[in-house]
Amino acid sequence: SQQGEEDPQALSIQEGENATMNCSYKTSINNLQWYRQNSGRGLVHLILIRSNEREKHSGRLRVTLDTSKKSSSLLITASRAADTASYFCATDGETSGSRLTFGEGTQLTVNP
Amino acid sequence: DTAVSQTPKYLVTQMGNDKSIKCEQNLGHDTMYWYKQDSKKFLKIMFSYNNKELIINETVPNRFSPKSPDKAHLNLHINSLELGDSAVYFCASSQLRGGRASYEQYFGPGTRLTVT
Repeated sequence: SQQGEEDPQALSIQEGENATMNCSYKTSINNLQWYRQNSGRGLVHLILIRSNEREKHSGRLRVTLDTSKKSSSLLITASRAADTASYFCATDGETSGSRLTFGEGTQLTVNP
Repeated sequence: DTAVSQTPKYLVTQMGNDKSIKCEQNLGHDTMYWYKQDSKKFLKIMFSYNNKELIINETVPNRFSPKSPDKAHLNLHINSLELGDSAVYFCASSQLRGGRASYEQYFGPGTRLTVT
């Protein structure tokens, strides 16, 4: 298995509901990032949380990090149809140098 | 203005051919990457260049050869294309801090390669 595994693999919700996606990783990290990928497009950076931070907010996004459990969650509040996309976590490991390791992604579908 | 651009967006070619994908970034970043995204959307790093020097070279067949003429460009040449090379290839750039990927990466729109 690999660094960075998201769950669930797919999530379908109604507009206005909250969406929570989880990411687990295996090795110690310097930071963890979340990216969004709309269908047929490149990845877009959403938020970065450092290993000494526990929670971070950006607009409707809330990210938590639990380094003892090697896990992170991304919460999108009051979801919109435009939030439909794949969401990936990526880790910058302590020994990975300049390498980011991406998880397998969660496909989020927000139904209008 | 496009921050990271790739050409072509789509590439359909036959097995055995040689093809190139070009990437340019206008963000002034010192580091560029090539990723391969398979049909299951798994994104795997292939190469990375920092100031035109190769710093990451994953286990990739030597049919794949990156070239960085300057720090704003990173091209990917693929020889003797195989069916398994079909995927979406993404270029990305970032600015390293102390040699670490501690900041966000900016991705290009991707090149969908189909080998028939």
